[in-house]
Amino acid sequence: SQTIHQWPATLVQPVGSPLSLECTVEGTSNPNLYWYRQAAGRGLQLLFYSVGIGQISSEVPQNLSASRPQDRQFILSSKKLLLSDSGFYLCAWSGITYNSPLHFGNGTRLTVT
Amino acid sequence: QQPVQSPQAVILREGEDAVINCSSSKALYSVHWYRQKHGEAPVFLMILLKGGEQKGHDKISASFNEKKQQSSLYLTASQLSYSGTYFCGTASNTGNQFYFGTGTSLTVIP
Repeated sequence: SQTIHQWPATLVQPVGSPLSLECTVEGTSNPNLYWYRQAAGRGLQLLFYSVGIGQISSEVPQNLSASRPQDRQFILSSKKLLLSDSGFYLCAWSGITYNSPLHFGNGTRLTVT
Repeated sequence: QQPVQSPQAVILREGEDAVINCSSSKALYSVHWYRQKHGEAPVFLMILLKGGEQKGHDKISASFNEKKQQSSLYLTASQLSYSGTYFCGTASNTGNQFYFGTGTSLTVIP
Protein backbone atom coordinates (compact mmCIF):
# COMPACT_ATOMS: atom_id res chain seq x y z
CA SER A 1 0.00 0.00 0.00
CA GLN A 2 1.04 3.57 -0.54
CA THR A 3 2.22 5.79 2.28
CA ILE A 4 3.41 9.35 2.48
CA HIS A 5 5.82 10.67 5.06
CA GLN A 6 6.27 14.33 5.88
CA TRP A 7 8.56 15.87 8.44
CA PRO A 8 9.03 17.58 10.77
CA ALA A 9 5.59 17.74 12.36
CA THR A 10 6.20 21.12 13.97
CA LEU A 11 8.83 23.77 13.45
CA VAL A 12 9.53 27.15 15.02
CA GLN A 13 11.95 29.29 13.06
CA PRO A 14 13.11 32.92 13.38
CA VAL A 15 12.51 35.41 10.60
CA GLY A 16 15.30 35.31 8.05
CA SER A 17 16.28 31.71 8.73
CA PRO A 18 16.25 29.01 6.03
CA LEU A 19 13.63 26.30 5.69
CA SER A 20 13.63 22.75 4.40
CA LEU A 21 10.58 20.49 4.57
CA GLU A 22 10.75 17.00 3.14
CA CYS A 23 8.13 14.61 1.88
CA THR A 24 8.56 11.05 0.59
CA VAL A 25 6.08 8.64 -0.91
CA GLU A 26 6.28 4.85 -0.79
CA GLY A 27 4.45 2.18 -2.71
CA THR A 28 3.86 4.01 -5.97
CA SER A 29 5.90 5.32 -8.85
CA ASN A 30 5.75 8.52 -10.88
CA PRO A 31 3.15 10.21 -8.67
CA ASN A 32 2.04 13.80 -9.00
CA LEU A 33 3.32 15.64 -5.95
CA TYR A 34 1.92 18.78 -4.35
CA TRP A 35 2.74 21.32 -1.65
CA TYR A 36 -0.14 23.22 -0.08
CA ARG A 37 -0.18 25.86 2.62
CA GLN A 38 -3.02 26.55 4.99
CA ALA A 39 -3.08 29.71 7.09
CA ALA A 40 -4.91 29.47 10.40
CA GLY A 41 -8.63 29.04 9.79
CA ARG A 42 -8.23 29.37 6.05
CA GLY A 43 -8.35 27.24 2.93
CA LEU A 44 -5.74 25.19 1.12
CA GLN A 45 -3.48 27.18 -1.17
CA LEU A 46 -1.61 25.28 -3.87
CA LEU A 47 2.04 26.32 -3.78
CA PHE A 48 3.83 23.89 -6.09
CA TYR A 49 3.11 20.76 -8.05
CA SER A 50 5.35 18.32 -9.84
CA VAL A 51 4.65 15.71 -12.51
CA GLY A 52 8.15 14.26 -12.59
CA ILE A 53 11.76 14.51 -11.43
CA GLY A 54 13.03 18.06 -11.79
CA GLN A 55 9.65 19.30 -13.07
CA ILE A 56 8.25 21.93 -10.75
CA SER A 57 5.40 24.32 -11.39
CA SER A 58 4.87 27.28 -9.11
CA GLU A 59 1.40 28.64 -8.45
CA VAL A 60 2.12 31.64 -6.29
CA PRO A 61 5.09 34.04 -6.46
CA GLN A 62 6.82 33.96 -3.10
CA ASN A 63 10.11 33.35 -1.38
CA LEU A 64 9.56 29.60 -1.36
CA SER A 65 10.92 27.06 -3.80
CA ALA A 66 10.43 23.35 -4.36
CA SER A 67 12.55 20.57 -5.75
CA ARG A 68 12.02 16.96 -6.72
CA PRO A 69 15.44 15.30 -6.75
CA GLN A 70 14.00 11.78 -6.85
CA ASP A 71 10.76 10.32 -8.15
CA ARG A 72 9.15 10.04 -4.73
CA GLN A 73 10.84 12.89 -2.89
CA PHE A 74 9.54 16.44 -2.74
CA ILE A 75 11.27 19.24 -0.86
CA LEU A 76 10.01 22.69 0.05
CA SER A 77 12.66 25.30 0.80
CA SER A 78 13.21 28.91 1.62
CA LYS A 79 16.42 30.89 1.94
CA LYS A 80 14.93 33.49 4.29
CA LEU A 81 11.62 33.00 6.08
CA LEU A 82 9.08 35.78 6.49
CA LEU A 83 6.46 36.10 9.22
CA SER A 84 3.82 35.53 6.55
CA ASP A 85 5.28 32.08 5.84
CA SER A 86 3.74 30.74 9.04
CA GLY A 87 1.09 28.12 8.46
CA PHE A 88 0.28 24.46 8.07
CA TYR A 89 2.19 22.93 5.17
CA LEU A 90 0.82 19.83 3.55
CA CYS A 91 2.45 17.51 1.06
CA ALA A 92 0.22 15.31 -1.08
CA TRP A 93 0.50 12.80 -3.87
CA SER A 94 -1.92 11.57 -6.50
CA GLY A 95 -1.97 9.42 -9.57
CA ILE A 96 -1.44 11.09 -12.90
CA THR A 97 -5.05 11.33 -14.04
CA TYR A 98 -7.77 13.80 -13.06
CA ASN A 99 -9.74 11.04 -11.38
CA SER A 100 -7.01 10.24 -8.88
CA PRO A 101 -7.65 11.35 -5.31
CA LEU A 102 -5.07 13.26 -3.30
CA HIS A 103 -3.43 11.58 -0.33
CA PHE A 104 -1.90 13.86 2.27
CA GLY A 105 0.97 13.63 4.67
CA ASN A 106 0.35 14.60 8.28
CA GLY A 107 1.53 18.15 7.68
CA THR A 108 4.12 20.49 9.18
CA ARG A 109 3.00 23.32 11.42
CA LEU A 110 5.48 26.15 10.85
CA THR A 111 5.65 29.16 13.12
CA VAL A 112 7.95 31.97 12.09
CA THR A 113 8.83 34.24 15.03
CA GLN B 1 -9.58 29.09 -10.40
CA GLN B 2 -10.60 28.26 -6.86
CA PRO B 3 -14.11 26.83 -6.56
CA VAL B 4 -16.45 28.72 -4.25
CA GLN B 5 -18.32 26.88 -1.52
CA SER B 6 -21.46 27.80 0.36
CA PRO B 7 -22.29 28.16 3.13
CA GLN B 8 -19.01 29.19 4.75
CA ALA B 9 -20.10 27.70 8.05
CA VAL B 10 -23.02 25.73 9.41
CA ILE B 11 -23.99 24.44 12.84
CA LEU B 12 -26.25 21.41 13.14
CA ARG B 13 -27.76 19.37 15.89
CA GLU B 14 -27.23 15.64 15.77
CA GLY B 15 -29.65 14.04 13.36
CA GLU B 16 -30.15 17.12 11.18
CA ASP B 17 -29.30 17.29 7.50
CA ALA B 18 -26.97 19.65 5.65
CA VAL B 19 -26.08 20.52 2.09
CA ILE B 20 -22.77 22.02 1.02
CA ASN B 21 -22.48 23.53 -2.42
CA CYS B 22 -19.43 23.91 -4.64
CA SER B 23 -19.43 26.12 -7.70
CA SER B 24 -16.73 26.70 -10.30
CA SER B 25 -16.30 29.38 -12.93
CA LYS B 26 -14.39 26.88 -15.08
CA ALA B 27 -15.35 23.55 -16.56
CA LEU B 28 -15.22 20.69 -14.10
CA TYR B 29 -13.77 17.38 -15.23
CA SER B 30 -14.14 15.80 -11.85
CA VAL B 31 -15.12 16.87 -8.36
CA HIS B 32 -13.52 15.55 -5.21
CA TRP B 33 -14.76 15.99 -1.66
CA TYR B 34 -12.52 15.99 1.41
CA ARG B 35 -13.04 16.45 5.13
CA GLN B 36 -10.46 18.01 7.42
CA LYS B 37 -10.62 17.64 11.18
CA HIS B 38 -9.06 20.40 13.24
CA GLY B 39 -5.26 20.17 13.20
CA GLU B 40 -5.22 17.23 10.81
CA ALA B 41 -4.69 16.69 7.11
CA PRO B 42 -7.68 16.48 4.75
CA VAL B 43 -9.10 13.04 4.12
CA PHE B 44 -10.59 11.96 0.81
CA LEU B 45 -14.34 11.24 0.89
CA MET B 46 -15.38 10.65 -2.69
CA ILE B 47 -14.91 11.62 -6.30
CA LEU B 48 -17.50 12.27 -8.99
CA LEU B 49 -16.43 11.88 -12.57
CA LYS B 50 -19.40 12.46 -14.79
CA GLY B 51 -22.03 15.11 -15.01
CA GLY B 52 -25.10 13.90 -13.22
CA GLU B 53 -23.21 11.31 -11.26
CA GLN B 54 -24.29 10.75 -7.71
CA LYS B 55 -22.34 8.85 -5.13
CA GLY B 56 -22.54 8.12 -1.49
CA HIS B 57 -21.47 6.00 1.37
CA ASP B 58 -22.95 5.77 4.80
CA LYS B 59 -25.09 8.91 5.07
CA ILE B 60 -22.88 11.21 3.04
CA SER B 61 -23.58 11.55 -0.66
CA ALA B 62 -22.80 13.96 -3.46
CA SER B 63 -24.02 15.02 -6.86
CA PHE B 64 -22.30 16.61 -9.83
CA ASN B 65 -24.01 18.89 -12.34
CA GLU B 66 -21.44 19.26 -15.09
CA LYS B 67 -23.46 21.78 -17.11
CA LYS B 68 -23.89 24.09 -14.16
CA GLN B 69 -20.30 23.46 -13.05
CA GLN B 70 -21.59 22.67 -9.60
CA SER B 71 -21.46 19.89 -7.06
CA SER B 72 -23.30 19.39 -3.80
CA LEU B 73 -22.46 17.29 -0.75
CA TYR B 74 -25.37 15.95 1.28
CA LEU B 75 -25.01 14.92 4.91
CA THR B 76 -28.07 13.24 6.34
CA ALA B 77 -28.82 12.41 9.97
CA SER B 78 -25.60 14.10 10.98
CA GLN B 79 -23.39 12.62 13.66
CA LEU B 80 -20.88 14.32 15.95
CA SER B 81 -18.10 12.71 13.92
CA TYR B 82 -19.17 14.69 10.85
CA SER B 83 -17.77 17.89 12.35
CA GLY B 84 -14.90 19.39 10.42
CA THR B 85 -14.17 21.52 7.40
CA TYR B 86 -15.33 20.19 4.05
CA PHE B 87 -13.53 21.03 0.86
CA CYS B 88 -14.48 20.34 -2.68
CA GLY B 89 -11.64 20.08 -5.15
CA THR B 90 -11.16 19.96 -8.83
CA ALA B 91 -8.33 18.89 -11.09
CA SER B 92 -7.32 20.41 -14.39
CA ASN B 93 -8.10 18.35 -17.46
CA THR B 94 -4.51 17.12 -17.46
CA GLY B 95 -4.83 16.02 -13.85
CA ASN B 96 -1.71 17.93 -12.89
CA GLN B 97 -3.12 20.89 -11.00
CA PHE B 98 -5.54 20.44 -8.18
CA TYR B 99 -7.45 23.28 -6.54
CA PHE B 100 -9.53 23.19 -3.41
CA GLY B 101 -12.68 25.15 -2.79
CA THR B 102 -12.99 27.85 -0.17
CA GLY B 103 -14.15 25.37 2.48
CA THR B 104 -17.23 24.92 4.67
CA SER B 105 -16.94 24.56 8.42
CA LEU B 106 -19.51 22.14 9.75
CA THR B 107 -20.13 21.74 13.46
CA VAL B 108 -22.49 19.10 14.83
CA ILE B 109 -23.64 19.64 18.40
CA PRO B 110 -25.48 17.21 20.69
